[in-house]
Amino acid sequence: EIVLTQSPATLSLSPGERATLSCRASQSVSRYLAWYQHKPGQAPRLLMYNASDRATGIPARFSGSGSGTDFTLTISSLEPEDFAVYYCQHRSNWPLTFGGGTKVEIK
Amino acid sequence: QVQLVQSGVEVKKPGASVKVSCKASGYSFSSYGISWLRQAPGQGLEWIGWISVYNGDTKYAQKFQGRVSITTETHSNTGYMELRSLTSDDTAVYYCARERVYSIHEFEFWGQGTLVTVSS
Repeated sequence: EIVLTQSPATLSLSPGERATLSCRASQSVSRYLAWYQHKPGQAPRLLMYNASDRATGIPARFSGSGSGTDFTLTISSLEPEDFAVYYCQHRSNWPLTFGGGTKVEIK
Repeated sequence: QVQLVQSGVEVKKPGASVKVSCKASGYSFSSYGISWLRQAPGQGLEWIGWISVYNGDTKYAQKFQGRVSITTETHSNTGYMELRSLTSDDTAVYYCARERVYSIHEFEFWGQGTLVTVSS
């Protein structure tokens, strides 16, 4: 099973600041990595797939990069609605697994 | 528009089974697979298993193997996840999710979630 490790666990930032979230895989997942945003009481929302492709309707302030074992999700300038928990997920093989999440909180 | 509507809150006793439904609309049901996932209180997202609606193939996380069954009913565009031998560790919000493209396992559309509480 591929283990995804996200860091940091919590990111305390102010609106307008840049957020950089990391996801590291225990073995190569090529570019088969997705990112999700999850807010309390809501279903998760797909942000990125194939490491760097934005899902439908996702604002351009969200970008993804990486391949192999190291991936980054960047939010260029945080909006109030961006404060949430973010998860990475691979689809390289079975089983599908998620990282433990990064909480982006208001400083 | 694509919608996945799940069944309501469930309260079960340890040792019981639960069956959660997921009714799909707004797309060709047989053209996409559906996964089931869960989030326990204070925990992250966990993938349970997947079914190809097209041919019925299933994949399960090893942790749930033998205790879970994922099925579909194409005439009603509904998916089901049954989990047996429940313990308190199975208390969680359970989600169904549709993949973005057939057999490409990223989850673009999600149900609203079903809270399953296991308590004596």
